[in-house]
This record gives sequence, structure tokens and C-alpha cells, in this order.
Amino acid sequence: GEDVEQSLFLSVREGDSSVINCTYTDSSSTYLYWYKQEPGAGLQLLTYIFSNMDMKQDQRLTVLLNKKDKHLSLRIADTQTGDSAIYFCAERRGSTLGRLYFGRGTQLTVWP
Amino acid sequence: DTGVSQNPRHKITKRGQNVTFRCDPISEHNRLYWYRQTLGQGPEFLTYFQNEAQLEKSRLLSDRFSAERPKGSFSTLEIQRTEQGDSAMYLCASSHYGGGDNSPLHFGNGTRLTVT
Repeated sequence: GEDVEQSLFLSVREGDSSVINCTYTDSSSTYLYWYKQEPGAGLQLLTYIFSNMDMKQDQRLTVLLNKKDKHLSLRIADTQTGDSAIYFCAERRGSTLGRLYFGRGTQLTVWP
Repeated sequence: DTGVSQNPRHKITKRGQNVTFRCDPISEHNRLYWYRQTLGQGPEFLTYFQNEAQLEKSRLLSDRFSAERPKGSFSTLEIQRTEQGDSAMYLCASSHYGGGDNSPLHFGNGTRLTVT
């Protein structure tokens, strides 16, 4: 299909790990990104991974990439209430190197 | 680095009026992008510039929409004869492209347009 797909909602308890999943569309995608959006704000770049990597870790964030299945995940360790936000997965497709294609976002709610 | 700046933050206008938004990118970034985001959706690409050249336009960008980046720095997005369906958050982003490599997009806080 044409769409980047994400589950719409995820709820976790404070201190647990969160895993947000994404399925992208283009096997020639060069970079894959995770952005965070808080209410009324723009998108904040969290992390990104080049397509020749299968894992990237950045403090509490771990990105896993499965190119065969075109599956991307973001793991947030020790999730805090301040992590509550919408998380967007985006791909940069090989054929259109300028734009990014976004999923609909996953609303993460962290309960104290 | 002051980030991507967008003005105004909010705009309320009556149907049929024209509106213009401004975006100031990160100063060393040569690419500038416009996206539109409606409630419950991810950002949808509208157009992007490299320096002053508009390199790509989405079919979402009807003839009522025009974007400019005359000096390769700030950009404006104008919507003529606004319709209620134009109500959305308009997001601007910038990146640096050079040597075949494109840095990640950095977004501003957006301009929320409400058409009544």
C-alpha cells in the first residue's frame, strides 16, 4: 500500500517500557524517522536510522529496523509521564528524496 | 540555532478571505518544506524549496495555494479564497542538503488556521 501504518493508541504505566511499531512502504527507503508531537506544538525529531542499520540506541530510545518486513519500532525505556505525546513514524523514500511520508501517529499515554 | 520559526501561531479568518503565513528556517538550511496536518492525521506534504527554487509540489496544493521563497531564506504560504476545508495546522520544516545527503527535517511549531 501507499501508507505508513501505526497503531493509534498505546497506554503504559510510568517506569515500564513502551514499544511503538510502524510499518512502512518502500523497500528503497533511505532513512526512517521518529518524531514526537505534544499538544498544540510542532514535531520534534527524536531519532532516525539509516536503512543499512538494524538498530540504533540513543539514551532511553532504541530503534529497531527490519528491512525484510519493512517494520520499524521505537522502544522507550523507563517511560515517564512527560513522554505522553503523539509519536510519528516517517520514511524518506528512495524515489522522492526531498519529502517525508508520515504515519497517522501513535498516541502514547503514560499513567502514574 | 533558534530553530524554525512560524508566524502567526494562530489565524482565524472568514471563508473567502486570503491568508498568508511566514516561515523562517534554521539559518544554514537550504531546504524548506511546507506540510499540512489535520486533526488525527499525520503531516501531509505540500511543497518544498531548495534555496529559492520550488522543486516539488503535491497535488494537494490547489491553485488557491501559492508558496514562495524569493531570496532562499524565509518562505510565505498564501491561501486565496479560503474554504472551511483549509482549516488545519500548517507546518514548516527545514533541512540541509549537500553532497547527496539530506539532513533530518526540523519543524516549527506551526500555524493553526481556522476558517469560519
